[in-house]
Amino acid sequence: GAGVSQSPSNKVTEKGKDVELRCDPISGHTALYWYRQSLGQGLEFLIYFQGNSAPDKSGLPSDRFSAERTGGSVSTLTIQRTQQEDSAVYLCASSPQPPPDTQYFGPGTRLTVL
Amino acid sequence: QKEVEQDPGPLSVPEGAIVSLNCTYSNSAFQYFMWYRQYSRKGPELLMYTYSSGNKEDGRFTAQVDKSSKYISLFIRDSQPSDSATYLCAMSGGSQGNLIFGKGTKLSVKP
Repeated sequence: GAGVSQSPSNKVTEKGKDVELRCDPISGHTALYWYRQSLGQGLEFLIYFQGNSAPDKSGLPSDRFSAERTGGSVSTLTIQRTQQEDSAVYLCASSPQPPPDTQYFGPGTRLTVL
Repeated sequence: QKEVEQDPGPLSVPEGAIVSLNCTYSNSAFQYFMWYRQYSRKGPELLMYTYSSGNKEDGRFTAQVDKSSKYISLFIRDSQPSDSATYLCAMSGGSQGNLIFGKGTKLSVKP
């Protein structure tokens, strides 16, 4: 079946602009996760959704970052007033069940802030 | 001390070699251990998933967990050029939602 999809695959923006990144999880998966992967830094957890609620937002680096999930499916990660240090690959993963179930990753969105 | 340590490599081996990839960790609450493979410009792909200590084998891949030493390993037998990728270890404590990842080891298998 279809895997996790993310859009856009690449996004180039100017410093100070807002961006929205989209994640479509595997159909029926109740848990959804956002991670950020920076060069040389590994994967960094951002936020976890169970259904439409986010029990763990501990990884969001600042209040410029927010995320929502609607209908227990699609999720959007929004970064306001982007900074150059926000440049990274943003990865979404989903799981059939709550943690510690297996997480399946999408291809990521490569964000470049000029 | 970082929660998960992984040698970033790069590691270069000839085709057919046995590859050993390792991670150490500091949090004794971790119970679930995973290895992901990530090709360039792709998302991580789950290779192995183990719970607690012990070994798990799947084809050419074997995952080992030693909780007493806080050390996990991934062995690749008869390595192939298609195994060339970055290998990420990941772990979690169960109800904690997020995975804690190592930084990844870049592996190159030369024909």
